[in-house]
Amino acid sequence: EDQVTQSPEALRLQEGESSSLNCSYTVSGLRGLFWYRQDPGKGPEFLFTLYSAGEEKEKERLKATLTKKESFLHITAPKPEDSATYLCAVATNAGKSTFGDGTTLTVKP
Amino acid sequence: EAGVAQSPRYKIIEKRQSVAFWCNPISGHATLYWYQQILGQGPKLLIQFQNNGVVDDSQLPKDRFSAERLKGVDSTLKIQPAKLEDSAVYLCASSSLHTEAFFGQGTRLTVV
Repeated sequence: EDQVTQSPEALRLQEGESSSLNCSYTVSGLRGLFWYRQDPGKGPEFLFTLYSAGEEKEKERLKATLTKKESFLHITAPKPEDSATYLCAVATNAGKSTFGDGTTLTVKP
Repeated sequence: EAGVAQSPRYKIIEKRQSVAFWCNPISGHATLYWYQQILGQGPKLLIQFQNNGVVDDSQLPKDRFSAERLKGVDSTLKIQPAKLEDSAVYLCASSSLHTEAFFGQGTRLTVV
């Protein structure tokens, strides 16, 4: 059975304090790993897709990396507007997708 | 580009009643998903369509939930009869083949 585990469940940072979110996965035949951002009362918003170990993607203060067992979402010098729940999802070659339960990030000014 | 449209945004029903949700995906997207998201959890896939056909409905409680996708475009998800544990946000998403999904705002269902 495909499994996605995100840690920590919640993370509180001061503005400018860099950190990383973890997504570990067990899946048969990984086609891609996705990161989404979800604000309260809204649907998830796509951030990145990673396809193979060693791949990295960057967008503003966010950088996503991928290994054979986990992915990290690095947040550099976060701002209060980065506060949200960050979701990780894996898609398999069979076309199935599984989400983790997310990490809720709070950035204090 | 118009996003994924869902309605209604909110719905309150009594247990044992029925309810239906509607989704209009992004134009041209062949894949459509319905997810259930319980507070504090990640989205759980209920059903995935590829055009008109069902790709995955392994987690759909088929004794009470049903979904259809008419002409490979719009989709409806129905619950009949509803239970208290069905209280959740129901998210619709669409994608091109094997790419990232785009989500609607969701429908918040409360069963009392």
